[in-house]
Amino acid sequence: QSVLTQPPSVSAAPGQKVIISCSGSSSNIGNNYVSWYQQLPGTAPKPLIYDNDKRPSGTPDRFSGSKSGTSATLGITGLQTGDEADYYCVTWDSSLRAVVFGGGTKLTV
Amino acid sequence: QLHLQESGPGLVKASETLSLTCTVSGGSFSSNSYYWSWIRQPPRKGLEWIGEISSTGSTNYNSSLQSRVSIYVDTSKKQFSLRLSSVTAADTAVYYCATHSGYYDYWGQGTLVTVSS
Repeated sequence: QSVLTQPPSVSAAPGQKVIISCSGSSSNIGNNYVSWYQQLPGTAPKPLIYDNDKRPSGTPDRFSGSKSGTSATLGITGLQTGDEADYYCVTWDSSLRAVVFGGGTKLTV
Repeated sequence: QLHLQESGPGLVKASETLSLTCTVSGGSFSSNSYYWSWIRQPPRKGLEWIGEISSTGSTNYNSSLQSRVSIYVDTSKKQFSLRLSSVTAADTAVYYCATHSGYYDYWGQGTLVTVSS
């Protein structure tokens, strides 16, 4: 049972937009930065978003992040088949004194 | 640009100790900005944080593993290592090493460790 709650799966057609949610609490998302990672099949996770809404160099601007209260979202526009992957949200939990991961969301395009 | 590479046995017997090393190349290992981290992923499951060590040697561990885990760093070799004792089948996973400087910016490719009975 993950501390951060993500939908197990989302799907959308190529070219469309999808939003992946990540719900937590005041001890984690509510008071700490959120980052997002993409894991393509058989590969290591890759950072997409950090500090809630910043993109590392190399992340296309089709990917965006936001945070409000105790929830965060990852948005992906102009979906491509190559975006099919698992997506994870991550943050620090001040009560647990631990890094916490969402359970992951499988995106089907 | 850092490059991380995990190494260690791919098969460990139940009740024994899992030991993995992450070798870092391509950048400054002594940076005070980094936490050197271990993350694992059981087959067909999500990611689980194991723990981390800073360049000053301070550690944080997942409380569910705290009694069995230790992470240590060898600056001279540009390596950091994971030891997980008394392993069971539930510890079978792909183990990743990663750097954390506010987020996990660099990752190793991961190494599969299978615990056998």
